[in-house]
Amino acid sequence: AQKITQTQPGMFVQEKEAVTLDCTYDTSDPSYGLFWYKQPSSGEMIFLIYQGSYDQQNATEGRYSLNFQKARKSANLVISASQLGDSAMYFCAMRVNAGKSTFGDGTTLTVKP
Amino acid sequence: DSGVTQTPKHLITATGQRVTLRCSPRSGDLSVYWYQQSLDQGLQFLIQYYNGEERAKGNILERFSAQQFPDLHSELNLSSLELGDSALYFCASSLKTGTSGTDTQYFGPGTRLTVL
Repeated sequence: AQKITQTQPGMFVQEKEAVTLDCTYDTSDPSYGLFWYKQPSSGEMIFLIYQGSYDQQNATEGRYSLNFQKARKSANLVISASQLGDSAMYFCAMRVNAGKSTFGDGTTLTVKP
Repeated sequence: DSGVTQTPKHLITATGQRVTLRCSPRSGDLSVYWYQQSLDQGLQFLIQYYNGEERAKGNILERFSAQQFPDLHSELNLSSLELGDSALYFCASSLKTGTSGTDTQYFGPGTRLTVL
């Protein structure tokens, strides 16, 4: 069975600072995809970044980067230069076969001015 | 805006009733996924359809059913509703079957269901 663990229920960061949100995963399947989504208070789920298990380089999308450490089974999200609009719940997810994505419990990020 | 639309945005109903949630995928996407997000269960995958066919099944109750129509929109039917069915129901879509590593799921805004 697949499992995603996000150990930080809540995180605080000062505006313009960088922050790392932790995610560890567990799967025996060698082929998988890792995703991060942002859920603001308005409720929608916004796709941020994707990392494939065979990707050699860490994924980056603007201010978002994914620190992928395969041996440790971790896929941490790094947000650089935090903005007030980054305050939201962040979910790490994994997919190993068609459709069945497994989500973590989420981390609530609060950006302080 | 992800391009995935869901209606209605909010739904309030009573126990024992039946409701239908509707989802239109992004233009060109063939796969539709349904998820339930509740406070106690988190985000749970329910079911996936690809080009009209059921592709994968998750933690979907027997009281719930879904289908994808020839125009690719999908409906999730919830019957004999219980208080515990109150949740945010998301639809997501992707281009392909979901097995491809780059086949990202894009979520709709969700339907918030309240069962009284």
